[in-house]
Amino acid sequence: EAQVTQNPRYLITVTGKKLTVTCSQNMNHEYMSWYRQDPGLGLRQIYYSMNVEVTDKGDVPEGYKVSRKEKRNFPLILESPSPNQTSLYFCASSYAPGQGGQPQHFGDGTRLSIL
Amino acid sequence: GENVEQHPSTLSVQEGDSAVIKCTYSDSASNYFPWYKQELGKRPQLIIDIRSNVGEKKDQRIAVTLNKTAKHFSLHITETQPEDSAVYFCAASTPRYSSASKIIFGSGTRLSIRP
Repeated sequence: EAQVTQNPRYLITVTGKKLTVTCSQNMNHEYMSWYRQDPGLGLRQIYYSMNVEVTDKGDVPEGYKVSRKEKRNFPLILESPSPNQTSLYFCASSYAPGQGGQPQHFGDGTRLSIL
Repeated sequence: GENVEQHPSTLSVQEGDSAVIKCTYSDSASNYFPWYKQELGKRPQLIIDIRSNVGEKKDQRIAVTLNKTAKHFSLHITETQPEDSAVYFCAASTPRYSSASKIIFGSGTRLSIRP
């Protein structure tokens, strides 16, 4: 089954304790992206990756890191989490947007609470 | 800066009536406009999309219209049913360098269908 898998689904942690949210897709998609969803703000892009070893900042990259060492995996790293990073996070993947855009496939989300 | 405005933020319609959600984008180079539906506690899923070379697209009870001159696009749902209750997000994708595309989401519309 084609899917985007995120782990963990829920996490409560404390300020400053490094954490990683994993994302894996099995559709051989070139493009992967991380979003955060906050009430009234929609989905805001954190980072995206066009392919292996190619990553770029989205609209709200501060406080986050990503890596793309393999095509299928795109982990999101919070080196020193803070309470303002409490949010619902989605990973998404698609074929290379090229010059026309492509529909994205979303994971089931990760709800992070930073105390 | 680039943005996508979505209205209304909440919408309540009688079952069987039509619902219309409108989005306006700022970047005239945007050329791909997907709509996502997010049911409570679930991931966003693509329901319909349109590219800039097309003015209207329909899929059963759902249709999207695009006015490039005015830079707005709309989602139309006819004969609404209880299962249409969800949050709907519009998005606009704009081509960038190196085959990348930037995608910006609207803030979402919570649609409720009254029985």
